[in-house]
Amino acid sequence: NAGVTQTPKFQVLKTGQSMTLQCAQDMNHNSMYWYRQDPGMGLRLIYYSASEGTTDKGEVPNGYNVSRLNKREFSLRLESAAPSQTSVYFCASFRGSLSYEQYFGPGTRLTVT
Amino acid sequence: ILNVEQSPQSLHVQEGDSTNFTCSFPSSNFYALHWYRWETAKSPKALFVMTLNGDEKKKGRISATLNTKEGYSYLYIKGSQPEDSATYLCAPGGSQGNLIFGKGTKLSVKP
Repeated sequence: NAGVTQTPKFQVLKTGQSMTLQCAQDMNHNSMYWYRQDPGMGLRLIYYSASEGTTDKGEVPNGYNVSRLNKREFSLRLESAAPSQTSVYFCASFRGSLSYEQYFGPGTRLTVT
Repeated sequence: ILNVEQSPQSLHVQEGDSTNFTCSFPSSNFYALHWYRWETAKSPKALFVMTLNGDEKKKGRISATLNTKEGYSYLYIKGSQPEDSATYLCAPGGSQGNLIFGKGTKLSVKP
């Protein structure tokens, strides 16, 4: 069991470039989430997918799009990167029952210059 | 959007000290309260998930309590060790598992 995997681990983009962050889980979890982590701000929810075929906005969705490709995979797209999107991005998955925890991937460190 | 407050922001203790942190959150629309431990350069790992008022959970030297009516949770560490040094995050969760994280309490334990 690899758990939650994310690619790439590191990325540097120029302002205006686009990219997609990939996330996959092999635990057969129903729900998946994208967070960003900035110094002094903690973890903030960008988008989530409670089940295959659905996506919803979190606290900070502006500038991002997501795709729940199938039950395993949930991608995050930056269409036109901005320096304010420099952050560490974490993907997480969740079984879907309230008494269970979320499992986090190792993170992607993104720098936009 | 929920306002989740954690205190203190940071804490420095000596090895062997016992310590506790507070998480406060609006008590309406509550479904679950999560605690995570986050070591530098790693990803957050779950400690506890609590759903019921009065819940108490324990894992080794770490325990947590939950009061949903007044909207707070305490995390206790008994006899802190250097390996307990980490940031401790709490997060109330909605019905779809969408968590709102506090900014965390950063614990440093000196040998």
